[in-house]
Amino acid sequence: EPEVTQTPSHQVTQMGQEVILRCVPISNHLYFYWYRQILGQKVEFLVSFYNNEISEKSEIFDDQFSVERPDGSNFTLKIRSTKLEDSAMYFCASSMDSGNQPQHFGDGTRLSIL
Amino acid sequence: QQQVKQSPQSLIVQKGGISIINCAYENTAFDYFPWYQQFPGKGPALLIAIRPDVSEKKEGRFTISFNKSAKQFSLHIMDSQPGDSATYFCAAYRDYKLSFGAGTTVTVRA
Repeated sequence: EPEVTQTPSHQVTQMGQEVILRCVPISNHLYFYWYRQILGQKVEFLVSFYNNEISEKSEIFDDQFSVERPDGSNFTLKIRSTKLEDSAMYFCASSMDSGNQPQHFGDGTRLSIL
Repeated sequence: QQQVKQSPQSLIVQKGGISIINCAYENTAFDYFPWYQQFPGKGPALLIAIRPDVSEKKEGRFTISFNKSAKQFSLHIMDSQPGDSATYFCAAYRDYKLSFGAGTTVTVRA
């Protein structure tokens, strides 16, 4: 069964450094998402992406965050200058279409900011 | 703004019993309501989903009941098994994003 793949599984970074989280969505999916889950809290939406444009973003997704689809398979989340409060599990998801279509999640990248 | 409220926070059920998790939403514009199952160290996995024009959906041992007028929906896990021990999240979709509930940790005792 096709799945969403995320790398690395764990990233440790010094505060203030840039970090790039990588995702390979399911191959025939067109919509891509990033969510995050701070330890012990609920999953929170960050951004959705379609046709090389951001469709929707949350208030969490400020100027320090950016997303990119650099080629036909990868989807990345960049945090320019990390803060301690960016420590969380980051999940990538993809769906075939928007609307009431299933979003399939990867296993996440645990980001630890020191 | 907490758009989706989920309860209980945790529950313990005996093997073979029924687990019931409830969610309530505020925004009537939500048009898709999935449930996700998450095991430690893994991402949320889609379990079952329902659209607001349907009152009930059953897939195997999992059933969603949906009450549009009350803006509530629930997950019933029948004949609970130890392998069902996980965290369950309800969610609601609109405008390209899912809003998640806080999660329910289910423990099934053998």
